[in-house]
Amino acid sequence: AQSVTQPDIHITVSEGASLELRCNYSYGATPYLFWYVQSPGQGLQLLLKYFSGDTLVQGIKGFEAEFKRSQSSFNLRKPSVHWSDAAEYFCAVGVPGGSEKLVFGKGTKLTVNP
Amino acid sequence: EAGVVQSPRYKIIEKKQPVAFWCNPISGHNTLYWYLQNLGQGPELLIRYENEEAVDDSQLPKDRFSAERLKGVDSTLKIQPAELGDSAVYLCASSQPNTGELFFGEGSRLTVL
Repeated sequence: AQSVTQPDIHITVSEGASLELRCNYSYGATPYLFWYVQSPGQGLQLLLKYFSGDTLVQGIKGFEAEFKRSQSSFNLRKPSVHWSDAAEYFCAVGVPGGSEKLVFGKGTKLTVNP
Repeated sequence: EAGVVQSPRYKIIEKKQPVAFWCNPISGHNTLYWYLQNLGQGPELLIRYENEEAVDDSQLPKDRFSAERLKGVDSTLKIQPAELGDSAVYLCASSQPNTGELFFGEGSRLTVL
């Protein structure tokens, strides 16, 4: 079964600084990979997804993520963080060609200092 | 296009009472999911429907939890009786087949006293 690890429970950055959130997955082949964001009291919104092809994927709100097969990683990045990016971020893994069942990591809470 | 709609948004009950949550998925989405999200944790799948058939309910605690999806559209998740440990957010999501992308509702936050 697939699994996801987000090593950082909480990250604090200053507004305008760059951001990288880590995600490592466990799966026997190349999985489907996702990043979702959840603002307080809200549902999850998809930021970006990787199925195949170019390993650098662009998402909404200026986010991007890079799939690195050798490291089993799918880290999320943003060059300049805005105060509105403060939220909780979840990495998720799915099985290609199988059910649309996603397994989520425990999340990384992002705090943005002014 | 309307998103996934859930109700109620908040529910406070005493332990041993029953509670039900309702979900209306995005029109045309055949797959519906109920996820449980405990505080500080990622969502965990409770049950997945393909149309009206529950195809994955292995994580649903069947002694107290039940779910249905009549006519393959709306779905209801019920807990009876509720326990203190059931306090959490119950998220509903839907998707189209073979897209791999889930759309989530805002969730139903349950507090059991």
